[in-house]
Amino acid sequence: GAGVSQSPRYKVAKRGQDVALRCDPISGHVSLFWYQQALGQGPEFLTYFQNEAQLDKSGLPSDRFFAERPEGSVSTLKIQRTQQEDSAVYLCASSQLGSLGSGEKLFFGSGTQLSVL
Amino acid sequence: EDKVVQSPLSLVVHEGDTVTLNCSYEVTNFRSLLWYKQEKKAPTFLFMLTSSGIEKKSGRLSSILDKKELFSILNITATQTGDSAVYLCAALHSTGNQFYFGTGTSLTVIP
Repeated sequence: GAGVSQSPRYKVAKRGQDVALRCDPISGHVSLFWYQQALGQGPEFLTYFQNEAQLDKSGLPSDRFFAERPEGSVSTLKIQRTQQEDSAVYLCASSQLGSLGSGEKLFFGSGTQLSVL
Repeated sequence: EDKVVQSPLSLVVHEGDTVTLNCSYEVTNFRSLLWYKQEKKAPTFLFMLTSSGIEKKSGRLSSILDKKELFSILNITATQTGDSAVYLCAALHSTGNQFYFGTGTSLTVIP
């Protein structure tokens, strides 16, 4: 597609519910990142995929967070048993990393704003 | 610990003013520094800086990197209300898969 697409745009969940956030990266982009952005803060790294391989998940805050990208394109971030502190904007970004120059730009989606009540 | 610090945290200026936003970084195996503009949710790319001392320009915006002193600045001249946004800088690790973001500078340009 023309850009990174995320859905839903907004998600309200009751504490304890499971949620699934979807990211459609730019077609052909190898790298995919998930970030969590709390209000007034910069994006915080969650996890990184290169094609279908999850190469870095060091930023996932707990084992309630799980991400997958089974076919190397669409990715899903799942949060189990949501807590109020999970409320944030979840940004997905894709990139053609591996070469210097324009390939290192991250292209962000508009994010999913998650509110846990 | 790798980190990126931006200053000021927020800034309010009048249209036509010139502003300078600062970004300092401490990242082992640093590769590049990137600036983004975030108006609503999706940050949009402004500049990528890899070499020290080479200014990049795009219209009224310009940026430069100092790899010795570990900082970058983003200048905006003749500011307009449309420049109001959060400006994020991010340092890219040499592995190419780890971006460290600062907390951003919130710029408000009033008519």
